[in-house]
Amino acid sequence: DAGVIQSPRHEVTEMGQEVTLRCKPISGHNSLFWYRQTMMRGLELLIYFNNNVPIDDSGMPEDRFSAKMPNASFSTLKIQPSEPRDSAVYFCASTQSLGNEQFFGPGTRLTVL
Amino acid sequence: GIQVEQSPPDLILQEGANSTLRCNFSDSVNNLQWFHQNPWGQLINLFYIPSGTKQNGRLSATTVATERYSLLYISSSQTTDSGVYFCAVGSGGSYIPTFGRGTSLIVHP
Repeated sequence: DAGVIQSPRHEVTEMGQEVTLRCKPISGHNSLFWYRQTMMRGLELLIYFNNNVPIDDSGMPEDRFSAKMPNASFSTLKIQPSEPRDSAVYFCASTQSLGNEQFFGPGTRLTVL
Repeated sequence: GIQVEQSPPDLILQEGANSTLRCNFSDSVNNLQWFHQNPWGQLINLFYIPSGTKQNGRLSATTVATERYSLLYISSSQTTDSGVYFCAVGSGGSYIPTFGRGTSLIVHP
């Protein structure tokens, strides 16, 4: 079975540009999570969805960040405009239901110059 | 929210040695996972273990929920065990896991 799929794996962009990260959860999983990992702050939960509905976006750092889940098999995390401090590895994870085992994608390494 | 503390923060071993990693948490748990983040950055599931003991090859884990800790045992360590080990805990009415800061393990040949 395919795991969580993320694209792109690496993204290098210039400050001010729009960045869109994509995630396909494991088929049959109903909950999806976006995390950000940096050396300074570790793994931070940005937002999570349950049955395609955003439940908690309190971890989204500011209005420049937005996330959508238009259907059960696809989610996006958008940063507009991007800033150098957004440079990090962004992970997507999914679970069959809340509280169950979480599975992570390979991550997207974002560098904003 | 729940506090999750992992120890030790860093660990250096020679190949073949055994080790125990600890995860302490401040509240009752409804889910707990151990992950290994390899040197390429991938987060690999090791155990889903809100209570009890599980074993998988050279690795085993025990969670004593009443005493608010979990242990990850690595026996006969190999260089491929190097990386960061994370404990993630969900508690109370929240099923959303809180991650510890991790234990960084280096295994030398």
